[in-house]
Amino acid sequence: DQQVKQNSPSLSVQEGRISILNCDYTNSMFDYFLWYKKYPAEGPTFLISISSIKDKNEDGRFTVFLNKSAKHLSLHIVPSQPGDSAVYFCAASANYGQNFVFGPGTRLSVLP
Amino acid sequence: DADVTQTPRNRITKTGKRIMLECSQTKGHDRMYWYRQDPGLGLRLIYYSFDVKDINKGEISDGYSVSRQAQAKFSLSLESAIPNQTALYFCATSGYGQPQHFGDGTRLSIL
Repeated sequence: DQQVKQNSPSLSVQEGRISILNCDYTNSMFDYFLWYKKYPAEGPTFLISISSIKDKNEDGRFTVFLNKSAKHLSLHIVPSQPGDSAVYFCAASANYGQNFVFGPGTRLSVLP
Repeated sequence: DADVTQTPRNRITKTGKRIMLECSQTKGHDRMYWYRQDPGLGLRLIYYSFDVKDINKGEISDGYSVSRQAQAKFSLSLESAIPNQTALYFCATSGYGQPQHFGDGTRLSIL
């Protein structure tokens, strides 16, 4: 059973609008969460992280929200740009930076 | 130059062959990892190493072995390849408590 779930395999958004990517987890011991972005023929690249002591972290156009009671986190991209089109992976760790469990990914398409 | 380099980038081979995938890094990280990516399953951890003398099995280590030749080098071997090991393989490195840095992957096809 997957411990980290991304239930939307794909998402399409118009350029300039908000993209919201969701991630759910089942292990209450997870305390550190990351989002990675992956372009075709490249490895995943780190985007933004959040620890369980926070409920929000911002970095430019990217904001991650964490709802521990719901075991849910989301990545908001505002405004969305065509260059944001990629696969986004959510990852979680139970020991603050020990091994990470990855979700299956969501493919975001930002339409011009 | 890439911080995490994987070779080869693509490989096609036959069932039963021994395959080695290599990874080298210039980031000076102690921790190195091997993952495989399959459609709909995300990245799954095969093996990881927190320093040169430390090797640990991940979620899906059966059929694989690794060698940490130096701090900067971590290789993954398939002793006798089988078709369900066809996948995209990624090497990653990290410092303690830090996000992982990934190589660009090796696409492996086993016929």
